[in-house]
Amino acid sequence: GNSVTQMEGPVTLSEEAFLTINCTYTATGYPSLFWYVQYPGEGLQLLLKATKADDKGSNKGFEATYRKETTSFHLEKGSVQVSDSAVYFCALSDDNFNKFYFGSGTKLNVKP
Amino acid sequence: EAQVTQNPRYLITVTGKKLTVTCSQNMNHEYMSWYRQDPGLGLRQIYYSMNVEVTDKGDVPEGYKVSRKEKRNFPLILESPSPNQTSLYFCASSFGLGNQPQHFGDGTRLSIL
Repeated sequence: GNSVTQMEGPVTLSEEAFLTINCTYTATGYPSLFWYVQYPGEGLQLLLKATKADDKGSNKGFEATYRKETTSFHLEKGSVQVSDSAVYFCALSDDNFNKFYFGSGTKLNVKP
Repeated sequence: EAQVTQNPRYLITVTGKKLTVTCSQNMNHEYMSWYRQDPGLGLRQIYYSMNVEVTDKGDVPEGYKVSRKEKRNFPLILESPSPNQTSLYFCASSFGLGNQPQHFGDGTRLSIL
């Protein structure tokens, strides 16, 4: 079946540090991959997405590349800010784009 | 303002007492979905709907019902709630298929005693 595995948190970084949050997936067919972000007390917001192998999604300085050979979609940012503190979720949608599967979330704390 | 509105935001109730969580979107989205969020498990999909009168099960549908009589509304019904349904629930919607960006509501925190 389909599933998403994310690195456990929390991840604590100093401002301007480099961020990587690992995400690997198991899926049949050709899923689409997403990163969503959740700020305290709010619903999730789409951060970026990639719909096929080797696609790179990017937004607000965050990037992730769809790697079919390693079944991974790691999230990276070159220089984090305090305002990036949030919970990050990796997700995939199945071939028919109907069902969604989320990882367990990784909490990021960025200190000034 | 484009939004997904859930009600209530918080509810404490007792085992077996039927409850409905409403979800409404004002963006004319075809796709709507319900999720529950539990610590260490992330979000798990309960039900989704591709359009009016078209619904299907997600990963954890047991104990829940949904209906989609109008495009804008997608209520979640717990006919006989039990304590293991205590959770944070999110409704989401998107244009077309589910691979489009989903817009999430602010969540409903349910406590079943």
